[in-house]
Amino acid sequence: GAVVSQHPSRVICKSGTSVKIECRSLDFQATTMFWYRQFPKQSLMLMATSNEGSKATYEQGVEKDKFLINHASLTLSTLTVTSAHPEDSSFYICSASEQGAEGNQPQHFGDGTRLSIL
Amino acid sequence: AQSVTQPDIHITVSEGASLELRCNYSYGATPYLFWYVQSPGQGLQLLLKYFSGDTLVQGIKGFEAEFKRSQSSFNLRKPSVHWSDAAEYFCAVGARGYSTLTFGKGTMLLVSP
Repeated sequence: GAVVSQHPSRVICKSGTSVKIECRSLDFQATTMFWYRQFPKQSLMLMATSNEGSKATYEQGVEKDKFLINHASLTLSTLTVTSAHPEDSSFYICSASEQGAEGNQPQHFGDGTRLSIL
Repeated sequence: AQSVTQPDIHITVSEGASLELRCNYSYGATPYLFWYVQSPGQGLQLLLKYFSGDTLVQGIKGFEAEFKRSQSSFNLRKPSVHWSDAAEYFCAVGARGYSTLTFGKGTMLLVSP
C-alpha cells in the first residue's frame, strides 16, 4: 500500500520551456502533498507544501511564479516549472501524506523526476 | 526549530557485518522520527518510523532503530548488511500534528565484498 506515482521520470527540454510534473497517490487519499528539490549528493530541500483544494505554502526563497503547484484532488498534485532555465535542472521529488488518527502520517515518496534544461 | 544531524557523510561496511547509522535530532517536544532509504536516481522509501510506545522500532528489510530521548538520538541498525543495502539513508524528524519533515543531510552506505 501507500504507493505514489510520479511522472515523468526524466525530462530533457530547451531553455524557456515550461515543464509539468505529476504526482499521484494510487491507493490512498493524500490530504497533503510535498514537493522537494534535491541537488547531487545533497539532502532534500522542501519547496512547498500543498493541501487539497487550497493554495500551496512555499518555503522561503522558492519563487511561487516560477514553480506553480496545483493540488486539485486528493490523489493528484502537479508542479509546473515555468520558463525553465539551466539552473532549474535538478531532481524533483514529490511525496504524499494522509491524515491519520495520530494527526500525521509518514510521507510516501514518488520516484522523482530528473529535469535537465539545455 | 527542529533539526537533524547525521554525523557520517558516508560509511563503508563489509557484507555480513553489522551496521549502525547515527542520527541526532533537536526538537522541543517528543518528535516523530523516520528513517528513509534512497537508491540512486530514485525516490525515498520509508524504512521505519517512531511515533510513541516501544522505543525499539522494527522496520522493513531487517532494519531497526532505537529512540533514546536522553541522547536525542534515533540510530538505525542492521545485524548483517547485504550488498543490496548500499544506498543513501536519511533520518527525518516531524512535529506532532504536522506532516512536514526536516531531513538530515544523509549518510551514504557503501558495502564492500
